[in-house]
Amino acid sequence: GESVGLHLPTLSVQEGDNSIINCAYSNSASDYFIWYKQESGKGPQFIIDIRSNMDKRQGQRVTVLLNKTVKHLSLQIAATQPGDSAVYFCAENQSGFFDMRFGAGTRLTVKP
Amino acid sequence: ETGVTQTPRHLVMGMTNKKSLKCEQHLGHNAMYWYKQSAKKPLELMFVYSLEERVENNSVPSRFSPECPNSSHLFLHLHTLQPEDSALYLCASGQGISSYNEQFFGPGTRLTVL
Repeated sequence: GESVGLHLPTLSVQEGDNSIINCAYSNSASDYFIWYKQESGKGPQFIIDIRSNMDKRQGQRVTVLLNKTVKHLSLQIAATQPGDSAVYFCAENQSGFFDMRFGAGTRLTVKP
Repeated sequence: ETGVTQTPRHLVMGMTNKKSLKCEQHLGHNAMYWYKQSAKKPLELMFVYSLEERVENNSVPSRFSPECPNSSHLFLHLHTLQPEDSALYLCASGQGISSYNEQFFGPGTRLTVL
């Protein structure tokens, strides 16, 4: 079946470095993608989204890149801080459908 | 705060108990969702309600029974659960299929079935 998946289950970076979290998806009809951050004991929190008519979108310290050719999504976090330590999920959705499919998540650990 | 609240935050129940999880959204959304989050597994969609009608049920066992009395409230009634049902149950709300489907999540209820 089609699925959303992440390449790495864990990522450890030094404080101040840039982080890159990757995600692969297989439904070519998906046209909306979200990155969520989930801290311990909390629900997923929206970080940034991107629609399929774009290949890059920037937020505050975060950038999402979408490569539809290879069905790849990435989240870049600039100047990673200890507060960025969490599990990060990518999710995909096809407009007209309710269900949003999530990857398993990557745990980001920021070392001081 | 995301505008989605869930109670209780933690619940321990025996396999013969009956309990209910509650979710409330203050965002004016018209769709609400129940997800199950187990360790090391992706979020699993359980139920979707749009305009208070169930529109999706992803082959969830009948021991889970959802209820959506209005667009702001969502319940998940639990009875005769199994230990493998222990998980974090997340509620989310969104604008549904009328727009790009960003979903806002509550903090979840951590359920333990003994």
